Amino acid sequence: SQQGEEDPQALSIQEGENATMNCSYKTSINNLQWYRQNSGRGLVHLILIRSNEREKHSGRLRVTLDTSKKSSSLLITASRAADTASYFCATDAWRNQFYFGTGTSLTVIP
Amino acid sequence: EPEVTQTPSHQVTQMGQEVILRCVPISNHLYFYWYRQILGQKVEFLVSFYNNEISEKSEIFDDQFSVERPDGSNFTLKIRSTKLEDSAMYFCASSQGGIIPGELFFGEGSRLTVL
Repeated sequence: SQQGEEDPQALSIQEGENATMNCSYKTSINNLQWYRQNSGRGLVHLILIRSNEREKHSGRLRVTLDTSKKSSSLLITASRAADTASYFCATDAWRNQFYFGTGTSLTVIP
Repeated sequence: EPEVTQTPSHQVTQMGQEVILRCVPISNHLYFYWYRQILGQKVEFLVSFYNNEISEKSEIFDDQFSVERPDGSNFTLKIRSTKLEDSAMYFCASSQGGIIPGELFFGEGSRLTVL
């Protein structure tokens, strides 16, 4: 299966702390994306990193990609209560197919 | 800002009944998708659609499921004879596609409850 797996499954931190989530996948990819899902809502795209990139930043988000280890990490700095959500990685290998991981549930305590 | 819209937001049906979930993707997008998420669990790929035909489908997408783009704007998922285990949130998504695909844009989902 191309589906990624995030870890940890759940993460609880204090507001202001950094949150790090990891994603591992099994096959070669073109791109890896991170999405956020608030409870009961649709998924919202956060950031895309291409297979030839190693690191990317967007605001308080930092994504790294290690294709040799088939893994990625998402770092959210200076977390806020509003960052409480589930975070999913999605990989695409070919033909515009996107496969999602199992998600990390992040709780930021005010 | 363009968005993907889905209807209904919630549908309750009896086991064995047919259900049609509707989606209006973003107008200039070329790839369309259905995903399923059982409560609190992973987001599962069902099917992708491009150029008026299915481009890929998962094992979940069996003969009970079908998709259609009947009029150039709507994209529908039909479940022919619902089962209890079809209860889930169904998400439609679209993307511009291309050699380097961009992000997926998701709708807010249709919650299906099968009794």
